[in-house]
Amino acid sequence: DTGVSQDPRHKITKRGQNVTFRCDPISEHNRLYWYRQTLGQGPEFLTYFQNEAQLEKSRLLSDRFSAERPKGSFSTLEIQRTEQGDSAMYLCASRLAGAKYNEQFFGPGTRLTVL
Amino acid sequence: AQSVAQPEDQVNVAEGNPLTVKCTYSVSGNPYLFWYVQYPNRGLQFLLKYITGDNLVKGSYGFEAEFNKSQTSFHLKKPSALVSDSALYFCAVTHGGGADGLTFGKGTHLIIQP
Repeated sequence: DTGVSQDPRHKITKRGQNVTFRCDPISEHNRLYWYRQTLGQGPEFLTYFQNEAQLEKSRLLSDRFSAERPKGSFSTLEIQRTEQGDSAMYLCASRLAGAKYNEQFFGPGTRLTVL
Repeated sequence: AQSVAQPEDQVNVAEGNPLTVKCTYSVSGNPYLFWYVQYPNRGLQFLLKYITGDNLVKGSYGFEAEFNKSQTSFHLKKPSALVSDSALYFCAVTHGGGADGLTFGKGTHLIIQP
């Protein structure tokens, strides 16, 4: 499968624990995005990378959220000290940024449940 | 700030009839507009986009959308609905400058009745 992959698909954790999600983009895509989707809502943009550089992080929901893309390939999203309000689907997307504006391709998401 | 409105939570259409799913947007600068579809337990799938050029854009599965700058709309259409078109549809917008993330609407459930 050459699409965007995310791991794990489901995560159940207790309040106060830290969680980390991984995203593997389509291999030639230089931009990688993270979104959060809560029930009944559209995805909400969190942050994005151009290769290993994080170009926008002001939309991260709080300082408990952080993301990395250390080698410009896969990315991780970490949530520290989870709260019940963090329960949501976390989506990753990637695209090839160039002269033409190409669409984003989305992964299947990681569903987080905080108990 | 940019925003997207999808005024209908649900649209019901009989199979074989034309369908329209509405979307209006607000953005500074030239809009880049997208439609995605989400099936249960599956990720978002790209349907079509408007970046520049012809106002009528054609996409996957027989869908098309018309960009109307004066009405700031980008409605999704299909001439003849199929039961398999039943899904959750999202309209999204971004623009050429600034943060590159998409702003999505809340989504519209499309139900095609046999």
